[in-house]
Amino acid sequence: ELKVEQNPLFLSMQEGKNYTIYCNYSTTSDRLYWYRQDPGKSLESLFVLLSNGAVKQEGRLMASLDTKARLSTLHITAAVHDLSATYFCAVVISYAGGTSYGKLTFGQGTILTVHP
Amino acid sequence: NAGVTQTPKFQVLKTGQSMTLQCAQDMNHNSMYWYRQDPGMGLRLIYYSASEGTTDKGEVPNGYNVSRLNKREFSLRLESAAPSQTSVYFCASNLQGYFSNEQFFGPGTRLTVL
Repeated sequence: ELKVEQNPLFLSMQEGKNYTIYCNYSTTSDRLYWYRQDPGKSLESLFVLLSNGAVKQEGRLMASLDTKARLSTLHITAAVHDLSATYFCAVVISYAGGTSYGKLTFGQGTILTVHP
Repeated sequence: NAGVTQTPKFQVLKTGQSMTLQCAQDMNHNSMYWYRQDPGMGLRLIYYSASEGTTDKGEVPNGYNVSRLNKREFSLRLESAAPSQTSVYFCASNLQGYFSNEQFFGPGTRLTVL
């Protein structure tokens, strides 16, 4: 059974500071997704990481994937209030000789609050 | 393109009532999914349909049934609602289950069972 764990679950940051959210998963996977969710809204795709060592950046957010360590990080640089949201990582299981049909297993989410 | 649409947006049921949540996508995607989101637990997969004509159980299928009506539409039915099914339900789709890069989510249905 695939387990996906994020930490921290709650993150209160000051504007201008840097921080990292961690996503650990328990079995082999070659695809990892990061999503953002604003209160009462749906999920917005941020990054898709498809291979070991993949790094993607968009604005103040940078995501990386280490498949050997089964770890992904979401790094926030010089946080601003607009980044306040819940961030989820989600993983697809790799099946040798088969297909996962794209089924996602989600972490619990990290609630990020950025203060002035 | 509307993307993934869901109806209704909100619903209140009494215990034992039944209802069907509707989902449609206009992106010609092969695979469709139903998730539920509960506080502090992330999203959990209820059922999925890898392609038109096929459906299969996810992590939490008990109390639900699904129908893949055609390539565009995937519905979720609660036959006898229970308070434990109070949740936010999201439908999602992607182009092809294994090689796709991204899963697109609908706006969600907020369901309360009294």
